Amino acid sequence: DGGITQSPKYLFRKEGQNVTLSCEQNLNHDAMYWYRQDPGQGLRLIYYSQIVNDFQKGDIAEGYSVSREKKESFPLTVTSAQKNPTAFYLCASRITGGNTEAFFGQGTRLTVV
Amino acid sequence: QKEVEQNSGPLSVPEGAIASLNCTYSDRGSQSFFWYRQYSGKSPELIMSIYSNGDKEDGRFTAQLNKASQYVSLLIRDSQPSDSATYLCVKMGGTSYGKLTFGQGTILTVHP
Repeated sequence: DGGITQSPKYLFRKEGQNVTLSCEQNLNHDAMYWYRQDPGQGLRLIYYSQIVNDFQKGDIAEGYSVSREKKESFPLTVTSAQKNPTAFYLCASRITGGNTEAFFGQGTRLTVV
Repeated sequence: QKEVEQNSGPLSVPEGAIASLNCTYSDRGSQSFFWYRQYSGKSPELIMSIYSNGDKEDGRFTAQLNKASQYVSLLIRDSQPSDSATYLCVKMGGTSYGKLTFGQGTILTVHP
């Protein structure tokens, strides 16, 4: 089945550690996005990529890094520089060109312990 | 000014009533607009998309876009308890090509 897979579903990290969240899609979409959602809040854009080997900072990129080496994969690394990493992280993808909607993965809930 | 701003909630309506959700945006060049619904702890799911000025209807849902006023709305007719969720207004494009920006969401509760 086509879709977006985020793993793991739940992730626990110790303070000071880097952690990488996985996002894979088999929809052949060009664009991929990472969002962060805090309780009772909307989605805030961390990074997005329109094409392989290229990505742009979103509104809250500090403390995060990404790579886009393959079309189907867009991993997000939460670094130790991110002071409040506990949140729900959502990955999305869409076809570029035209007015197409984004499809979302099931999310990863990251907790710093 | 926030790129996308939704009317503050929460919004509570009785079953069978019309729920009205509103959204304004700051980038006049924005091209496309979407309404997503999100249940607690779940991913957002698309309800409606709208690109041209005017109304677009799909079942119980009507989206309205006014680019001159930079205003988007969603009407839900015959509201059902299952419509209780957070509704997210999204804009695409503008000065940043391909950027998808979400509003802060409006919590809707439909009570029996």
